[in-house]
Parts: sequence; C-alpha cells; structure tokens
Amino acid sequence: GQQVMQIPQYQHVQEGEDFTTYCNSSTTLSNIQWYKQRPGGHPVFLIQLVKSGEVKKQKRLTFQFGEAKKNSSLHITATQTTDVGTYFCAGESNDYKLSFGAGTTVTVRA
Amino acid sequence: DADVTQTPRNRITKTGKRIMLECSQTKGHDRMYWYRQDPGLGLRLIYYSFDVKDINKGEISDGYSVSRQAQAKFSLSLESAIPNQTALYFCATSDSLNPGWRADTQYFGPGTRLTVL
Repeated sequence: GQQVMQIPQYQHVQEGEDFTTYCNSSTTLSNIQWYKQRPGGHPVFLIQLVKSGEVKKQKRLTFQFGEAKKNSSLHITATQTTDVGTYFCAGESNDYKLSFGAGTTVTVRA
Repeated sequence: DADVTQTPRNRITKTGKRIMLECSQTKGHDRMYWYRQDPGLGLRLIYYSFDVKDINKGEISDGYSVSRQAQAKFSLSLESAIPNQTALYFCATSDSLNPGWRADTQYFGPGTRLTVL
C-alpha cells in the first residue's frame, strides 16, 4: 500500500537558521498537502500542491512538489519561535487514498 | 477550527468499556473523517464518510465503528476499549470541490484525548 515517509522526525533549529523537511512517497501522488500542528493543538492546513514541479511560497515557507510527483519538501528560512510545532505532509495517491507522514517536530533555540 | 467540535475533549476509561466520541461541524461539508494520532506514527485514518449514506473503512478500522447521524454529525465508537486504543483522536471535514479527489483539504477538530486503562 501507499506509504508516505517524512524526514527528519525531529529538527532542532537555532533561531534565524534555515531548515528543510522532506516527504517521500512510494507511489505517484495526485496532490500533496502540508499541515502544521502547534503543541497541544490540532493540524491546520497550510497549502496544497497539485502540479509536477510546483513551487509555492508563504512568507518564509517554500513548498515544492517533485517532478515525478513522488516527493515534496518544505523549506523554512530564518526560523522564528513561532515556527515551533509538527509539520505533516499528506499525499493522495491515484487510487484516492490519503496518507499522512509521521511528521517533523521542530523546536527552536533562541 | 471552532467550526468542528469534538466531545468529550478528554476521557479516561477502563478496558472493555464501550466509548463513543462525537463530532459536529457547522462548515456545511459533506465529507467527514476520523483519525487517530500516536507519537511517531502521525495521523492514521480510521473511517471516513462522503455523505450521510456513505461509510468507508480507513487503514485501521478494526475495533472501531462509526455512525453518520446527519450531514453535520459523525460519531466514532469503541465497542470494547483496549489499552492500545489510547491515543489522540481527531475528527476532520472537507468539502467536495474536487470530486475527482477523495481527500481535499482537511479541517480538523480540537481532538479527544482517550486513555484506556
């Protein structure tokens, strides 16, 4: 079955530095979504990517969908304390199954 | 989102007890979902429903059942709770703007933390 793998599981970042979290699927995806869950909160939708090679930006966050539509990345520049939380990718395969990655939990050192 | 509510927010129960978790939404969405979250495993789909007459199993439906009482209500039951069902449970909704996709943007409720002793 479809599996969505997300790495790293944990990311400890110095405030002001950049980091990237990666999402890889064993099957081709029709679309991929990214969510953020603050500590003690619930997942909140960030963005959806649909096209091969698509790149979207939200302020300091850059999301990319791979050319083969099997992988995606989230890059955060100049990390701030407000970026703390767990970031999940969720990919939908062509057989209509949505799978969430295990998430990358981000902590920030001030 | 306050548009998706879950009750109770916290529940402690004993092995063998029947438990019902409830979800209500005011977003007017047709599609509703139940997930469980465990540390290191992310979110796993238990059941989903695309309308009142539609119920589908997710990847981990064993030990669970659901009822879609109305468009706005979707409840999850544990018929006989066991300790490994201790987890954080989320209800989610999505619209159906993209009928070719089964899973559009998910709007999550605040979650129910369930502990089975």
